[in-house]
Amino acid sequence: EPEVTQTPSHQVTQMGQEVILRCVPISNHLYFYWYRQILGQKVEFLVSFYNNEISEKSEIFDDQFSVERPDGSNFTLKIRSTKLEDSAMYFCASSEAYEQYFGPGTRLTVT
Amino acid sequence: ELKVEQNPLFLSMQEGKNYTIYCNYSTTSDRLYWYRQDPGKSLESLFVLLSNGAVKQEGRLMASLDTKARLSTLHITAAVHDLSATYFCAAQFFDKLIFGTGTRLQVFP
Repeated sequence: EPEVTQTPSHQVTQMGQEVILRCVPISNHLYFYWYRQILGQKVEFLVSFYNNEISEKSEIFDDQFSVERPDGSNFTLKIRSTKLEDSAMYFCASSEAYEQYFGPGTRLTVT
Repeated sequence: ELKVEQNPLFLSMQEGKNYTIYCNYSTTSDRLYWYRQDPGKSLESLFVLLSNGAVKQEGRLMASLDTKARLSTLHITAAVHDLSATYFCAAQFFDKLIFGTGTRLQVFP
């Protein structure tokens, strides 16, 4: 069964460093998303992406964040200068129509 | 403001008992989802509810949707230990899912 994959599973970085989180959505899906979950809290929407552009973004998704689909298969989330409060689990999701399928997540730890 | 509220936040129940988790959302939503999350894991889709009065069942879990009341419920029948996890509801507003706070369910013998 097709699934969303994410790499790395765990990323440790120092405050101020740039990180790129990678996702491979399900192959025939057209809509892509990033969510984050701070430990012990609810899942929060960051951004949605369709037709090579952002379709919606939340207040969390400020200028430090960017997304890109650099080729036909990958979907990336870049954080330019990480802060301690960026430590969270980041989930990628994709959908063909409405139901979103989530990847296993990348745990980002900022020290 | 788009808000999704779940209660209870924490539920400790004995095996064999029944209980209901409630999910209220603040404004008209396209769809309502229920997810299960085990510790440190991703979100497993349980149910997608599309219309008023929708009811779906899978094993010991049953989900329903009342769009007029903006309320969804997840009913657990005769709980077993394997159901221990955190359950999230999420309402869809255009592109995005807005998640509830989650209900951490612990089932004990």
